[in-house]
Parts: sequence; C-alpha cells; structure tokens
Amino acid sequence: SAVISQKPSRDICQRGTSLTIQCQVDSQVTMMFWYRQQPGQSLTLIATANQGSEATYESGFVIDKFPISRPNLTFSTLTVSNMSPEDSSIYLCSGSGGLDTEAFFGQGTRLTVV
Amino acid sequence: AQSVTQPDIHITVSEGASLELRCNYSYGATPYLFWYVQSPGQGLQLLLKYFSGDTLVQGIKGFEAEFKRSQSSFNLRKPSVHWSDAAEYFCAVAPNTGFQKLVFGTGTRLLVSP
Repeated sequence: SAVISQKPSRDICQRGTSLTIQCQVDSQVTMMFWYRQQPGQSLTLIATANQGSEATYESGFVIDKFPISRPNLTFSTLTVSNMSPEDSSIYLCSGSGGLDTEAFFGQGTRLTVV
Repeated sequence: AQSVTQPDIHITVSEGASLELRCNYSYGATPYLFWYVQSPGQGLQLLLKYFSGDTLVQGIKGFEAEFKRSQSSFNLRKPSVHWSDAAEYFCAVAPNTGFQKLVFGTGTRLLVSP
C-alpha cells in the first residue's frame, strides 16, 4: 500500500498559536481524511479532504478551527488554529485509493499545547 | 449512524496463550470491517480487512478475524500471542459505498505477561 509521510511528528505549542500539519503520500489517492485521537481515546474523524473543493467536516468540527487544504492528489495540510490545551492530541491523516481499498495512515503528529 | 463497540478496554494474556478481541458493530447493511493495531508512539497499521466473500479472513502477524453477520461481530483472534503483540487494537467500520471513512471503536489495550 501507499506510504504517508506526516510532519511534524510532534510539537509543543503555546496556547493561542496555530500549527500546520502536513501529509505527503507517495502515490495519488482519491480521498484523504484527518482524525484526532485525544489522550486515552479512540480516533475521531475531523474531516474529509477533497482535491479541488472544500473539506467536508464532521459534526463538532469547524473550518475556522481546523482549516484543511488539498491542493493535489498527494498532499494535504491540517491547521489547528488558536490552540488551547484541549487541542492536545494525536492528529493522524489517512488516505484511500477508492472503493474496495483499505485506508492507510500516517505516523501521526503528537501535539501538546501549553 | 454507524457505531463500533469493543467491550474490553484492557486484556492481559500470557505469552503463548490464545487471544480473542471482541468487536460488535451497528450498521444498516454489511459494512467494510477492519482491525488496526497501534503500537506505542506509532501510527495505525492495518492487520486485516473484510469486504466480502469468505467470512474468515487472514491478516498479518498471524492474526485472523471472523465476520458473523447474525451477531454483527468481527472478532480478532490469534492462536499464540507474542510479547511484541502488546499494543492497542482498534476495530473499525466503513460504509460499503467505499472511500474508507472510518468509524473506530474505543480500542482494546493488550498486555502480554511472561
């Protein structure tokens, strides 16, 4: 399966600042997804990133807080804006080549907001 | 709405013993089903998947899972556990319309005792 390179792998940020996480796939993928894993919790889908259109956000997540870009079929970014300690989580991106193909994941970004 | 239940938060198994991790899902049709493993500080790795066909699926690292439609279950099994299997295991479902927009269970943490 394809490989996703996600960076940074971890960061410690001051509250009120923003962090942009990048995901680069080594082949073209139809869909990319962004997940959040809060400490000790499971993964929750933030949004689906579509190439050439705005991302589709899940309930509880808004574009102003988590703007997403998808400029082409191999790259996406997630920005965590105006961070607070509650945003401390692991953020993972995922890609899928399409119907009947499994999703694969990046290594995740461990974010700590102080 | 889809949901996934993993009733066991923690499981401790002796090395060499057999393992079964439970997963039940709620979905109107047969979804796509997955098991992922997350080792400490790592991203998610796909162990196995069920899309259709044979209800007993084989995965990597000696794992297998059986889809039981009547019980809405997709339990993960391994006949002999190794210490390196200690990790967090997530069951996930995706709609059978594709694109792998996953809904995850809360995870089961596997501890392996000597």
